[in-house]
Amino acid sequence: NAGVTQTPKFQVLKTGQSMTLQCAQDMNHEYMSWYRQDPGMGLRLIHYSVGAGITDQGEVPNGYNVSRSTTEDFPLRLLSAAPSQTSVYFCASSSMTGSIYEQYFGPGTRLTVT
Amino acid sequence: SQQGEEDPQALSIQEGENATMNCSYKTSINNLQWYRQNSGRGLVHLILIRSNEREKHSGRLRVTLDTSKKSSSLLITASRAADTASYFCATDAGDSSYKLIFGSGTRLLVRP
Repeated sequence: NAGVTQTPKFQVLKTGQSMTLQCAQDMNHEYMSWYRQDPGMGLRLIHYSVGAGITDQGEVPNGYNVSRSTTEDFPLRLLSAAPSQTSVYFCASSSMTGSIYEQYFGPGTRLTVT
Repeated sequence: SQQGEEDPQALSIQEGENATMNCSYKTSINNLQWYRQNSGRGLVHLILIRSNEREKHSGRLRVTLDTSKKSSSLLITASRAADTASYFCATDAGDSSYKLIFGSGTRLLVRP
């Protein structure tokens, strides 16, 4: 299993540009989420999904859109990039069955907005 | 706002010593998890403790949970240089067990 994969690893955008960060998992997990991590800080939840066709907002959703058309994929779209969105973005997934809700993380996408 | 807050923010110890990190949270939880992040990498799950458990062990890791004080601690015994990483506690949002809120982390440096 590849686990959780994210592309690209690095990205530089100009202010106002849009782009999509890709996330895919091959573990048939129902729950997927996007976090951002700023220097020296923990992770803040952007958006999450509990299954195909179902998404919801986390702590810091402004400026980001998500969709979940399949169980495997959960892309994150930046609509109009701003310097404040410079961060490392992590995608994670977990099973919602049983009683263990361990989250599996991708390797991250380092985004710089100039 | 973040649910969990770790203390200390940074910790430097000698190899072989024990490392203790603390986490406080604000609202009632179903479970609390600890994760590790090596520099430049994604987070890796270490251990989960449920709200009705008080202590849990996994190898050199010992986690305690005090729901009356809304706090948890992670003890790493006989630390190794390879334990150098950031450690985060994560609590569920209360309304579900799978939606996690992370603290700001403790940066642990284990000197050889």
